This record gives sequence, structure tokens and C-alpha cells, in this order.
Amino acid sequence: DIQMTQSPSSLSASVGDRVTITCRASQNINNHLNWYQQKPGTAPKLLIYLASSLQSGVPSRFSGSGSGTDFTLTISSLQPEDFATYYCQQSHSKRTFGQGTKVEIK
Amino acid sequence: EVQLVETGGGLIQPGWSQRLSCAASGFLVSSYYMTWVRQAPGKGLEWVSVLYTDGYTYYADSVKGRFTISRDNSKNTLYLQMNSLRAEDTAVYYCARLIVGSGWDYFDYWGQGTLVTVSS
Repeated sequence: DIQMTQSPSSLSASVGDRVTITCRASQNINNHLNWYQQKPGTAPKLLIYLASSLQSGVPSRFSGSGSGTDFTLTISSLQPEDFATYYCQQSHSKRTFGQGTKVEIK
Repeated sequence: EVQLVETGGGLIQPGWSQRLSCAASGFLVSSYYMTWVRQAPGKGLEWVSVLYTDGYTYYADSVKGRFTISRDNSKNTLYLQMNSLRAEDTAVYYCARLIVGSGWDYFDYWGQGTLVTVSS
């Protein structure tokens, strides 16, 4: 199975900060990479699909990049509602998720 | 508006069975690939099973042979029959709609989840 490794596992940031989360696949997955946001007690929400396509209704401060094995989720200016856990997920072979990155308030 | 509502969770004894339901509205489950994803308490997400529009089914190795995914088109509902439950099956179970392309897919809508606790 393809393993997905996110870094960091957690980070502290302030409102207005630029935040970057990385995700590495154990083998080439082309651009078959999605990003989800999950807030406590709620279901995950799709943010980015196919590495860089913004899901309808998601604010433009979220962006994704990468291909092959290395991917990035960037929040250009962190807002209070963005404090959450973020997961990457590959769909190239079966479906596996990264372990998550928790974004906390500094 | 697309909605998915899971029911059927609860406290179940090890070795017993339980069936989860996911009632869909705003679209037809028969027209989309549908999946189950679970999340153990305080842990990450794990894909469990998928049901294709043509009826093919696939399972994670951790549940293969014990879980069965199915749908009732007349009720527009997805199911997950879980047999021989183990403590490690304890999780919130989400149903999710899958959007599929050429070699790729993504979960675009999720239900609110239902908690299954396997314990004596």
C-alpha cells in the first residue's frame, strides 16, 4: 500500500500567518492527491482535489501544489476558522490518508 | 442539496454483528460510487469500502471477509454490514460520496458519522 507522510504533525500559528503543510507519498502518485479539513466533532471537508484544484466554495486562501511524491497545502493568510486538522489522501492505488496535521492557535 | 445521514452505531459486543445505514438525499446513490471511511477515537482516517455503480465492491484488508457494503436503490440508502466485530473496529463511521475520474477520485460529500464501540 502507498504510505502518506505529513509534516509537521502539528503547528502553532497566528491569524494572518502563511501556513504550509507538506505531504509525501511512498511512491509516485502523479497528481492523485486530495486535501481535507476536519474540525473537532465534524466530518472531513474537501478543500483541494487533484493536487491543485480548489473545491467549489472553498476560500481562495487555500492552495495546493505538487506532483509525483511531494505535495504542499498552503493557507496564505490564516483565519480563525482555519484552526483544524488537515489530511492529505492519495487515490492512485486504493485510498490512503496521511496521519494529519493539527493547526493550533499560537 | 446533497445530504448523507448515517445511523446504526452503538455499543456492540466483540464477535457480534451490526448494520450501518446511510440515507442519501439530493442525489441517487445508484448513480455514484459510494464509500465508507472510519476514524478511531483520536486517530486518523481509514478508508473501509467502496461500492461502484456497476455493483463491484472493494474492501480494506482490515475488514475484508467481515464487512459487506450494499445499497437499496428504492430507499436511496447505503449500508455496511459488519460481522465478527473486534475492539479495533471501534470508530466513527462516515459514508461519503466518491467522484471518480481516470485513475483518480475524491470524497466530495460526507455524512456526520455514527460511532461504533466494540466492547464487552
